[in-house]
Amino acid sequence: KAGVTQTPRYLIKTRGQQVTLSCSPISGHRSVSWYQQTPGQGLQFLFEYFSETQRNKGNFPGRFSGRQFSNSRSEMNVSTLELGDSALYLCASRSGPGGTTQYFGPGTRLTVL
Amino acid sequence: QQQVKQSPQSLIVQKGGIPIINCAYENTAFDYFPWYQQFPGKGPALLIAIRPDVSEKKEGRFTISFNKSAKQFSLHIMDSQPGDSATYFCAASMGTSGSRLTFGEGTQLTVNP
Repeated sequence: KAGVTQTPRYLIKTRGQQVTLSCSPISGHRSVSWYQQTPGQGLQFLFEYFSETQRNKGNFPGRFSGRQFSNSRSEMNVSTLELGDSALYLCASRSGPGGTTQYFGPGTRLTVL
Repeated sequence: QQQVKQSPQSLIVQKGGIPIINCAYENTAFDYFPWYQQFPGKGPALLIAIRPDVSEKKEGRFTISFNKSAKQFSLHIMDSQPGDSATYFCAASMGTSGSRLTFGEGTQLTVNP
């Protein structure tokens, strides 16, 4: 099976812009979670989607949003980018609510200038 | 109460040594404790995980020791190899929170030849 894929792998934006990141889970996996990884804050949970519904949300401002499509692919959007949004954004998939193992993608490296 | 504290921040051992990484948590509702390994440019990959009903779990050269009363758990890497050089993260989650993983700060392990 192919692993979790994320596109694009690298992205450079300027303050105030918005960005959309994409994640394709492992085939058959219906749950997708997003994490932000920074040197200062480490790995932090953003949100989880299952069956196109947001099931859980971390402590991030409303500028961070996401959605999931009927084929389980997910996108996350960050509006009005700030310098502090520069990070590695990781997507993880699992089979569903009963599956404990999360499989991470390689991430999208976002740089905000 | 949601935090997971990890130590040390960095660790250097010689090939064949047994690095030990420690984690402590506060929230007694956590019921799943995985360890992830991350190489530069890659997403975290699950190494081994444990639930609080067992005190030790071994998979290959990796062992988790779990002390429920002390709310601590640790990762031991037997016969460490230079290829084990990576960043290691402990994490915790609870069944009611779905996939939401709370990560430790990470330990950068270097195994010298």
